[in-house]
Amino acid sequence: DTAVSQTPKYLVTQMGNDKSIKCEQNLGHDTMYWYKQDSKKFLKIMFSYNNKELIINETVPNRFSPKSPDKAHLNLHINSLELGDSAVYFCASSRNPSGRLHEQYFGPGTRLTVT
Amino acid sequence: AQSVAQPEDQVNVAEGNPLTVKCTYSVSGNPYLFWYVQYPNRGLQFLLKYITGDNLVKGSYGFEAEFNKSQTSFHLKKPSALVSDSALYFCAVPGSARQLTFGSGTQLTVLP
Repeated sequence: DTAVSQTPKYLVTQMGNDKSIKCEQNLGHDTMYWYKQDSKKFLKIMFSYNNKELIINETVPNRFSPKSPDKAHLNLHINSLELGDSAVYFCASSRNPSGRLHEQYFGPGTRLTVT
Repeated sequence: AQSVAQPEDQVNVAEGNPLTVKCTYSVSGNPYLFWYVQYPNRGLQFLLKYITGDNLVKGSYGFEAEFNKSQTSFHLKKPSALVSDSALYFCAVPGSARQLTFGSGTQLTVLP
């Protein structure tokens, strides 16, 4: 009965590689997000999608490309990984249309380590 | 721009004592405010939110938060802390595109 799931939970890879993180929600939500949590625990929005359409892209390098094949999925693909990409990435979802009023549900996170 | 601030990186409290985790906000228009908790190696969990109405909002796990417009604060409180409440707490405010802007987080440690 997992609400928001992410795979993989851990990802260790070398610089220069390309990797993907998958996210799925079974809550019937219309809006999905990717957040990055750095080593100091700061959380920052990366992308926001509503009904499969990108609605926010917060100064994220274009090596990061989100893809939403349907409302229940929002995947994150990262090209040419760099050391600074090491972080925990969280997927989240929320209801629409007055999305600002609704709480977000978070996945368990994907810990990415770039060596 | 909408923002929140958490002035304390760390709060320590003895089990059974009341706890307060502080948050101040800076928003334009009506403030919508949220509290989330992150347990070690877990995702964030929603605790409570203020939209409008009563200044005292009750949430999950016995937590509550007090909205104070004159002090632009939204402090998280619990009358009697448990060791299991030890976690990282985030105050947050939604932006125009529904994204959450988080405070820097406060690590709560409840000592047995």
